[in-house]
Amino acid sequence: IAGITQAPTSQILAAGRRMTLRCTQDMRHNAMYWYRQDLGLGLRLIHYSNTAGTTGKGEVPDGYSVSRANTDDFPLTLASAVPSQTSVYFCASSAASGDSYEQYFGPGTRLTVT
Amino acid sequence: GQNIDQPTEMTATEGAIVQINCTYQTSGFNGLFWYQQHAGEAPTFLSYNVLDGLEEKGRFSSFLSRSKGYSYLLLKELQMKDSASYLCAVRDSNYQLIWGAGTKLIIKP
Repeated sequence: IAGITQAPTSQILAAGRRMTLRCTQDMRHNAMYWYRQDLGLGLRLIHYSNTAGTTGKGEVPDGYSVSRANTDDFPLTLASAVPSQTSVYFCASSAASGDSYEQYFGPGTRLTVT
Repeated sequence: GQNIDQPTEMTATEGAIVQINCTYQTSGFNGLFWYQQHAGEAPTFLSYNVLDGLEEKGRFSSFLSRSKGYSYLLLKELQMKDSASYLCAVRDSNYQLIWGAGTKLIIKP
C-alpha cells in the first residue's frame, strides 16, 4: 500500500455502541491527525499525535480517544456513540508537525449514528 | 476566536479564470494552505504560502498578504475537472491547522 488507509469505509452504528475507526500510513510520517467534516463547517481537529507515543487534544475531542503505539497506526475510538457524532472522519499524516509540511489525507470513513 | 472566511460557492466558465478569496483571523500565523476536495473524496494539497506574495504552480497560483489576513487562490484556463471544493487552512501558533468551510466551485461549459 502507499499512503493512508482507513477502515471501515462507512458504518451505521447504534447510539451507545463503542466503535474504533482504523488508520494506517506507510509513509513513516511522524505526525498524524483525526478530523471530522460536517456539511457547512470546516474540517475540525479531534486529536493529533506529533510522534509515536504522544497524543494531544484538538478542537473537538469530547467523546473520542486515540492511541499511538507505533508510527504507522492511529486508531480513533468512540466510547459510546451519540447521533451528533454522525460525520465523515478523515485521518491525515505529515512528515512533521511544523513548517511547510503538508498533510496527506486518507479516503475517509462515513459514520452514521442512529 | 479563530475564523477563516471563504465564499460558500462560485460559478465560472470552462477556459476562464477564477479567484477564490480567503480571509483569516487566527491566534498566530505559521503558514497558509490551499487544498482541493472533489465530492466524496479526501482533500489534496495544492499550495503553501508563508511569506507575502504570489506562489505560482502551473495553472494554479496562491497569494498571501499577512498584514491584511488575506489570501486568494487563482485558477487559470479552467477545466471541468476543476469542479471541486477549495479549502483554505491556516496554521496557528500551536502549529495546528484551522480550516475554512470551503468554496464549492462549479465549472460550466
